[in-house]
Amino acid sequence: SQQGEEDPQALSIQEGENATMNCSYKTSINNLQWYRQNSGRGLVHLILIRSNEREKHSGRLRVTLDTSKKSSSLLITASRAADTASYFCATDAIDSNYQLIWGAGTKLIIKP
Amino acid sequence: EAGVAQSPRYKIIEKRQSVAFWCNPISGHATLYWYQQILGQGPKLLIQFQNNGVVDDSQLPKDRFSAERLKGVDSTLKIQPAKLEDSAVYLCASSARGNTYEQYFGPGTRLTVT
Repeated sequence: SQQGEEDPQALSIQEGENATMNCSYKTSINNLQWYRQNSGRGLVHLILIRSNEREKHSGRLRVTLDTSKKSSSLLITASRAADTASYFCATDAIDSNYQLIWGAGTKLIIKP
Repeated sequence: EAGVAQSPRYKIIEKRQSVAFWCNPISGHATLYWYQQILGQGPKLLIQFQNNGVVDDSQLPKDRFSAERLKGVDSTLKIQPAKLEDSAVYLCASSARGNTYEQYFGPGTRLTVT
């Protein structure tokens, strides 16, 4: 079963613009992770945010976590063509023995 | 640091045939995962090993899928017999310290069952 659901399913923006993707989940978690998948480099870990954290930054990435709303957002600033990929959130559900459960992903296309 | 290695990268078989995938995790990583990813979906965990013991295989179709991790290092996932719905990418990942830390993925094996 899918714990996380990304929104939107697909997003197309111009290079240089910011991209925001959202993830909602259903049960209590220990942490939430974002991954990127493209044909060239496969599935790559981007950032991990723990349940007691509200915001985290890594380069052009900014992740927020709202445990009261069971949601997270990933912001990519100043997008580049190389950011074209699918982005997945993954959560470890506390009541599922911390099994990592993945959403279906947001497909991001950066237009030159 | 070498990444997660998988082979083969591509495999085409007919239904009812058998197939095996191999994975070598990052050196020192105790946790190893096998995922199935169907086109347009997120990865689905098939089995998780901690060293050479199984932690979670609740979503592994045990009538046709099997996996082992001898000596707690590399691992093999087998499908016998394959069905059309097994067509997917099979991803292997490893983690230094389990689910609460980041996972490192191999390039995957794209399986097509005809």
